[in-house]
Amino acid sequence: DGGITQSPKYLFRKEGQNVTLSCEQNLNHDAMYWYRQDPGQGLRLIYYSQIVNDFQKGDIAEGYSVSREKKESFPLTVTSAQKNPTAFYLCASLPGLAGDTGELFFGEGSRLTVL
Amino acid sequence: AQSVTQPDIHITVSEGASLELRCNYSYGATPYLFWYVQSPGQGLQLLLKYFSGDTLVQGIKGFEAEFKRSQSSFNLRKPSVHWSDAAEYFCAVGPQGAQKLVFGQGTRLTINP
Repeated sequence: DGGITQSPKYLFRKEGQNVTLSCEQNLNHDAMYWYRQDPGQGLRLIYYSQIVNDFQKGDIAEGYSVSREKKESFPLTVTSAQKNPTAFYLCASLPGLAGDTGELFFGEGSRLTVL
Repeated sequence: AQSVTQPDIHITVSEGASLELRCNYSYGATPYLFWYVQSPGQGLQLLLKYFSGDTLVQGIKGFEAEFKRSQSSFNLRKPSVHWSDAAEYFCAVGPQGAQKLVFGQGTRLTINP
């Protein structure tokens, strides 16, 4: 079945450590997104990529980095510069501008806790 | 800048009762509007969307929403809720389909038996 796979589902990290969250999709979608979810704040856009080898900052990119070396993969690194990294992270994908059906497809999320 | 406000953080209704979740948006042009639902610990699923045309849109799971331009609102409704509707609901607005959506804060729905 086609979909988006995020891993790990739960992750614990010590302060000062970088951590990478994986996002893989087999939907053949062009665009991929990373959102951060905090209670009472909805979803906020961290980074997005509309094509391989290209990505743009979202509203809260500071302390995060991404890469898009393959169409299927869009990993997110939470660096030690992110001041408050404990959150639920959601990856999503979209067919791309030409095939925008208006539906973002989401993974099941990764919960990061900084100890 | 575009923004979305969901005034109700938490709503409790009885099973079988009607439901209306409020959503107000701020956007300079004709918006693309969405409602998503999230079960605990899961990703989001699209319930319905409005791009243009008929201002009353039907979605999955028996939900509908009405776009009212004069009130900048896109409220979600269901005539009779089921216990399985307990979840968090997000309204979102986008300038071009689902590209770069801006989400509201979410409304958590609890269903009393």
